[in-house]
Amino acid sequence: AQSVSQHNHHVILSEAASLELGCNYSYGGTVNLFWYVQYPGQHLQLLLKYFSGDPLVKGIKGFEAEFIKSKFSFNLRKPSVQWSDTAEYFCAVNRANAGNMLTFGGGTRLMVKP
Amino acid sequence: EAQVTQNPRYLITVTGKKLTVTCSQNMNHEYMSWYRQDPGLGLRQIYYSMNVEVTDKGDVPEGYKVSRKEKRNFPLILESPSPNQTSLYFCASSEGQSPQETQYFGPGTRLLVL
Repeated sequence: AQSVSQHNHHVILSEAASLELGCNYSYGGTVNLFWYVQYPGQHLQLLLKYFSGDPLVKGIKGFEAEFIKSKFSFNLRKPSVQWSDTAEYFCAVNRANAGNMLTFGGGTRLMVKP
Repeated sequence: EAQVTQNPRYLITVTGKKLTVTCSQNMNHEYMSWYRQDPGLGLRQIYYSMNVEVTDKGDVPEGYKVSRKEKRNFPLILESPSPNQTSLYFCASSEGQSPQETQYFGPGTRLLVL
């Protein structure tokens, strides 16, 4: 069965530190990849997505992610975090022939200290 | 304003007492789905619907029912809730079932089954 792993469950950073959150998936076929963010008390919002083309994807709020096919990874990065980035981040994978169904990772809680 | 709404937002109930969580979208979307979010497990899809009268099971359908009689509404029904269904539930919708369609999530319904 397809699974999505986010190995960092909790991350604490100071403002201006760089961020990298890991995401690995186990499915070997063609996939579409997503990162969602959930701010405290709010619903999920799409940060960025990758379908094809340039493996380095830029999203909103200064986030980017890099798809490395050989490593089955889609890590999320931001060069300099802000206090307002405190949230939970979810990686999600969709198989190319599975319609719109998303399989989510367990999430990473990020806390940014002011 | 384009949105997905859920009601109620918070619900406490007892084992065995039937309940319904409503989901409504005002974007004329064809695709709707329900997820549950549990700590460390991310979001898991319960059921989805590709259009009116077309529904199918997701990853964790046991103990749940859905219906899609109208395009805008996709209620989630727990005929006999049990404590292991205590969770945070999200409804989502998208224009179509292509993974390239952005999924819009509702605000969530927090359910506690005693």
